[in-house]
Amino acid sequence: GQQLNQSPQSMFIQEGEDVSMNCTSSSIFNTWLWYKQDPGEGPVLLIALYKAGELTSNGRLTAQFGITRKDSFLNISASIPSDVGIYFCAGPQTAGGTSYGKLTFGQGTILTVHP
Amino acid sequence: DSGVTQTPKHLITATGQRVTLRCSPRSGDLSVYWYQQSLDQGLQFLIQYYNGEERAKGNILERFSAQQFPDLHSELNLSSLELGDSALYFCASSVGVGSPLHFGNGTRLTVT
Repeated sequence: GQQLNQSPQSMFIQEGEDVSMNCTSSSIFNTWLWYKQDPGEGPVLLIALYKAGELTSNGRLTAQFGITRKDSFLNISASIPSDVGIYFCAGPQTAGGTSYGKLTFGQGTILTVHP
Repeated sequence: DSGVTQTPKHLITATGQRVTLRCSPRSGDLSVYWYQQSLDQGLQFLIQYYNGEERAKGNILERFSAQQFPDLHSELNLSSLELGDSALYFCASSVGVGSPLHFGNGTRLTVT
């Protein structure tokens, strides 16, 4: 099946630093989604990307849909302590249909921000 | 608050038992999805319902079953529980096909 590889697995940064993480796949995705999961809570949608080359921002977050459709990256600028959490990339599985529901998730990037 | 409500928040039970997890989707959402999150497998799609009918199946064991009721709430039934079933179970909902998912806060199941 389709797999998403996220890197890095974890990051330890100082408050105020910028962060960059990426997600790659051996298969083409038509949509890329970025979610954040806080401890004890469910994943929350941060950014959705629908077109190759698309660059979308949400506050201090910026994500891009790779031209090859096989990768995406997420940048966080001027990190703050509440950015701590697990960041997941996700994309709809295309085998057997194109439902958004059958999301494939990356393994996640654990972000720690030191004040 | 995503608007998706899951109960209970925590569940501790013994091997061999059966449990039911409940999910109320966001108001207006017709699709409900169930996911399992464990440390070694990450977030895995289990099953999807749309307006009461099963729409898609993922890596769901035969010991597990789900349904979506006329009021659109959904239940996930886990039976003959094994230690390896211990995980976080998330419900998500969306307006329909093509809409992003909104997740609940999950039910943490511990099988002892």
